[in-house]
Amino acid sequence: NAGVTQTPKFQVLKTGQSMTLQCAQDMNHEYMSWYRQDPGMGLRLIHYSVGAGITDQGEVPNGYNVSRSTTEDFPLRLLSAAPSQTSVYFCASSYRGTRNEQFFGPGTRLTVL
Amino acid sequence: AQSVTQLDSHVSVSEGTPVLLRCNYSSSYSPSLFWYVQHPNKGLQLLLKYTSAATLVKGINGFEAEFKKSETSFHLTKPSAHMSDAAEYFCVVSPPSRDDKIIFGKGTRLHILP
Repeated sequence: NAGVTQTPKFQVLKTGQSMTLQCAQDMNHEYMSWYRQDPGMGLRLIHYSVGAGITDQGEVPNGYNVSRSTTEDFPLRLLSAAPSQTSVYFCASSYRGTRNEQFFGPGTRLTVL
Repeated sequence: AQSVTQLDSHVSVSEGTPVLLRCNYSSSYSPSLFWYVQHPNKGLQLLLKYTSAATLVKGINGFEAEFKKSETSFHLTKPSAHMSDAAEYFCVVSPPSRDDKIIFGKGTRLHILP
C-alpha cells in the first residue's frame, strides 16, 4: 500500500494563478479531508468528504474547491491564489466512523508570491 | 458542538524527566480522542487513541494518556523524555456523528533540553 500520496511536494505560484493539489489513497477509506497548517494555528480543516460524491466545508473553505468523483481521489483546487494561502497542506483519510485514526499524506508546501 | 483545547503552546523539559502535555475537550457525547505527533518537516503520525474502552491508553514510544470524563481531559504523559521526542503534538476529538468533522487542537511544541 502506498497509503496517502500528495503531489506536488513543493509549489510556488503567483497571485491570481490557479492550481490543483492532488491527493490519493489506496486504502478504500470513505473519509478524506484537507487541512492547512500555519505556524501557531495547528491544523485547520478546509474541506472534507465522507464518501464519493459528498463534500462539505470545514473551518476555512474560502478560496478552495473540492470534488470527490472516486473513493481514491480528493483534489483541492485553488481558484485564484492569494499570498494568504501560503501554507503547508495536508490530505488525510480514514475509515468512516468515530473510532478510526486518520492517515496523513506527506504534505505540500505552497508559496504564493 | 465539540471543541478541544491544548493548554500549552510550548513545553520544555530536560532529557530524562517526565513529560505532561495537557488537553481538555468539550463534547455532548462520549467522544473518541486521539494524540498525533509531527516531527519537523514530516507528516502526522498516530500516537494513541481512546475509544471508550480502558481509560488509560498506551501508545507508541512510551507515551500514554488517561481519559478523565469528570475533568473532560485527555492529558498525554511519558515518564522519561528522550531527545527524539522533540516534536509538535496534536490532541484530536472525533465527532459522535459519522458525517461530522474531526476537530484538531492547536498543537503543543515539545522541546527537550539536554
